[in-house]
Formats: sequence, structure tokens, C-alpha cells
Amino acid sequence: QSVLTQPPSASGTPGQRVTISCSGSSSNIGNNAVNWYQHLPGTAPKLLIYSNDQRPSGVPDRFSGSKSGTSASLAISGLQSEDEADYYCAAWADSLNGQVFGGGTKLTVL
Amino acid sequence: QLQLQESGPGLVKPSETLSLTCTVSGGSMSRSDYYWGWIRQPPGKGLEWIGSIFFGGSVYYTPSLKSRVTISVDTSKAQFSLRLSSLTAADTAVYYCATEMTSTNAFHTWGQGTLVSVSS
Repeated sequence: QSVLTQPPSASGTPGQRVTISCSGSSSNIGNNAVNWYQHLPGTAPKLLIYSNDQRPSGVPDRFSGSKSGTSASLAISGLQSEDEADYYCAAWADSLNGQVFGGGTKLTVL
Repeated sequence: QLQLQESGPGLVKPSETLSLTCTVSGGSMSRSDYYWGWIRQPPGKGLEWIGSIFFGGSVYYTPSLKSRVTISVDTSKAQFSLRLSSLTAADTAVYYCATEMTSTNAFHTWGQGTLVSVSS
């Protein structure tokens, strides 16, 4: 069971906006930056959002992140078929003195 | 642009020790803005952070693996390594090396990953 809680699945149709939540506690999300990764099967994970809401160079602005208190969210607007992947949140956990990942959310584009 | 490449055995026997190496190209390892980290993904499961090391040698590990893990760095060879002892089938996973931004703990650049199976 992961320290950070994500819904196991999410879905949407092309063009829709979907959000994926990530719930933690005061010792992880509440006190540290949240990062999001996109993982397509058979490939290396890709950093999608860092420091809660920052996009690395090359990541489309369809992807956005936010954080409030001990929860964070990833939003994908204008959903495309190539967005079908697993998405993971991660944060530093003060109580563990280490990083923790969420369990991952499998996004299906219908 | 940094590139990372994992190398090591694809099959290891239970109770033995796994040794993996990550070779870094395209830039220096002696930089203060990155840690060098290891992450794994067991089949059908999520990502798990194993540990990270700074070029100067300071290192930190996930508590659940701390007793079995050693991460080291050799900047002269542009490599950092993972050793995981007392292997069981539960250690079967794809192992990734990655750069970790010291400011945000985000894993920015990843290797392609290497599948390690633990089986007799």
C-alpha cells in the first residue's frame, strides 16, 4: 500500500479534460514538492510536472499540476490517444527521509 | 544532454547479490544540482524509489531496503552502481537509473531500464 494514494484508473474521450488526484499527508505532500511522471509500457518514465506545477521543457501545456494542502492533482486537457499511459505522483516523505511514489493511475482514452 | 544507461545481469539466483551499473554520458557527474538515483518497478506494480547518491558520496536509501542496498559512485568512470543483497523473487523488477534534481527531488532524466529476474 503506497504512502501516496491515487485512483487506480481514470478515463476520458478525446478532447476531454481529466484530472488525477494524489493524496498524502503533512509529512510528504503537505511539506514538500510534488512531481508527476508519465509511464508508457516498455519505455522509461517521463517527468511531466515538477515542483507542483512546473512543466519541463518539451511537455505540452495541456498538462498542468496543482497542490493544495496534503493533496495534489494532475490535469490533462484536450485529451489525446497518445496520453494513454500510467501516471505517478511522487514526493519527499519527511517521516521516511526518502521519496515515495503513488500507486499509479492507469489512464484510458476511450 | 545527459544520457543514462543501465547494465548488469538479467538473471540472478535467490540469495545472491545483484550488481547494476549506470553509465552517464553527455555531461559531468560532479554537479551540485543532481543526485543520482535508482528506481525499480516489479511486474504489474508501481514505481519504487530505491535510493540516491550525491557525487560527493552522501547517500540515502528507502527504509524498506536499507539493510540490503549499497549505492556507490565513481565519477572518474562516469558511473554509479547499485548492489542489492539477499535477493528473493520479490526483487524481480525493471531497474531504472535516473538523475534527481536536488532542488525538487524530481527524477529528470531516466535510463531505459533493465529487467532483472530472480530465479533459480
